[in-house]
Amino acid sequence: EVVMTQSPATLSMSPGERATLSCRASETVAGNLAWYMQRPGQAPRLLIYAASTRATGVPARFSGSGFGADFTLTISSLESEDFAVYYCQQYNDWPTFGQGTTVDIK
Amino acid sequence: DVQVEESGGGLVRPGGSLRLSCVASGFTFSTSGMNWVRRAPGRGLEWISYISAKSNLIHYADSVRGRFTIFRDNAKNSVFLQMNGLTDEDTAVYFCARGGYSSSWLDSWGQGTLVTVSS
Repeated sequence: EVVMTQSPATLSMSPGERATLSCRASETVAGNLAWYMQRPGQAPRLLIYAASTRATGVPARFSGSGFGADFTLTISSLESEDFAVYYCQQYNDWPTFGQGTTVDIK
Repeated sequence: DVQVEESGGGLVRPGGSLRLSCVASGFTFSTSGMNWVRRAPGRGLEWISYISAKSNLIHYADSVRGRFTIFRDNAKNSVFLQMNGLTDEDTAVYFCARGGYSSSWLDSWGQGTLVTVSS
């Protein structure tokens, strides 16, 4: 099983700031990496797939980068609706998720 | 509009069984792979099962293999998860999500249905 490790566990930010979230795989997953956002009580929402491709309707302030085992999700300027839990997921093998990064309001 | 809706959750005793249902609309269900993912209290997301469009490829996470069975009815745009031998470790919100062929990203999710295993 590919183990996905996200850091930090919690990111305390203010609206308008730039947020950088990291995801590391225990082995290479090539570019087979997705990012999701989940607000409390809501369904997860796909943000990024193929490491850097924004899903339909996702604002341009969200960007993904990386290849192999190290990946980054960047939110260029946080808006109020962006405070949520973010998960990375590899699909190079059967899917596994990271444990999540909570972006909360400082 | 793509819509996915789960149902069938509830309270069940350890060792019991439950069947979850997921009905989809707004896309061609019969050509889409479908997945079940869960989120236990205080934990992250855990993928648990996949079924391909024609049911010829099925896979399970180790945590549920041998206890859970995924199947689908394309005529009813529905996918199901039969859960047997439930333990308190299975307590979670269960999500149905659309994927591709085999392992892939999951682009449409339902709101989830809560399964609580408790005596």
